[in-house]
Amino acid sequence: TQLLEQSPQFLSIQEGENLTVYCNSSSVFSSLQWYRQEPGEGPVLLVTVVTGGEVKKLKRLTFQFGDARKDSSLHITAAQPGDTGLYLCAGAGPYSSASKIIFGSGTRLSIRP
Amino acid sequence: ETGVTQTPRHLVMGMTNKKSLKCEQHLGHNAMYWYKQSAKKPLELMFVYSLEERVENNSVPSRFSPECPNSSHLFLHLHTLQPEDSALYLCASSQDLEEDTQYFGPGTRLTVL
Repeated sequence: TQLLEQSPQFLSIQEGENLTVYCNSSSVFSSLQWYRQEPGEGPVLLVTVVTGGEVKKLKRLTFQFGDARKDSSLHITAAQPGDTGLYLCAGAGPYSSASKIIFGSGTRLSIRP
Repeated sequence: ETGVTQTPRHLVMGMTNKKSLKCEQHLGHNAMYWYKQSAKKPLELMFVYSLEERVENNSVPSRFSPECPNSSHLFLHLHTLQPEDSALYLCASSQDLEEDTQYFGPGTRLTVL
C-alpha cells in the first residue's frame, strides 16, 4: 500500500521566518502535487512536479521533487499570515491516473503576525 | 460561474434523514470524484466517475449512493447515516482519468446527529 507521510503535522512560526515541510514515501510517483486548503474550503492546487530533481518556484514558495521521485519538499521564504492553511501533498503513480492519487494527511501551518 | 461548486455548504441531519449533496463542474472535465475528509486523516477517495460511468467504489458503505446524470453533475445521496460519517465531503474533477491534476470544490460540511 502506498503511503505519503507529511512532516511536521503542525507548525506555528512568526511572520517573516522561513520554513520547510516535507512529503515522503517509499514508493515512486509519476507526479506529485501540492495543495493548500483554507478553513471551510476545498484544496487549491499550487503546483505539480513530474521530473526527478525538478524545482518549481511560485513567488515565495519553492517546491522540489526528489531525484528518485519518492519525496518532495515545500520551502516558504519570509512567511506571511496569508500562508496559513493546511498543506497537502498528493502522489500519482507509478501509472498516472487521477483515480490512483493518494494524499498525505497534511501539514497545518499557522503564521503569527 | 467557474470551477467546481458544491451545495449545500453545510448540512446537519439526523440518522434517519435522507439528503443529497450536489456537485457541479464548469470546466468541461470528463472525470469526477467524491472524497471524505475527516480530522487528522488523509483524504479518502470514495467514488470515481468517468464519462458518467462509475469506475471505482472504494468499499464505501451502501448508505452512501452516488449518481452522475451527466459529465457536469455529481450527486451523493445519503440515508441512515451514522455520527462517524460527519466530515467534510469534497467533490473534485479532472480532465480525464489519466490527468493527475484534480480541481476541488469547497466541500459540504456534514454533521450527523
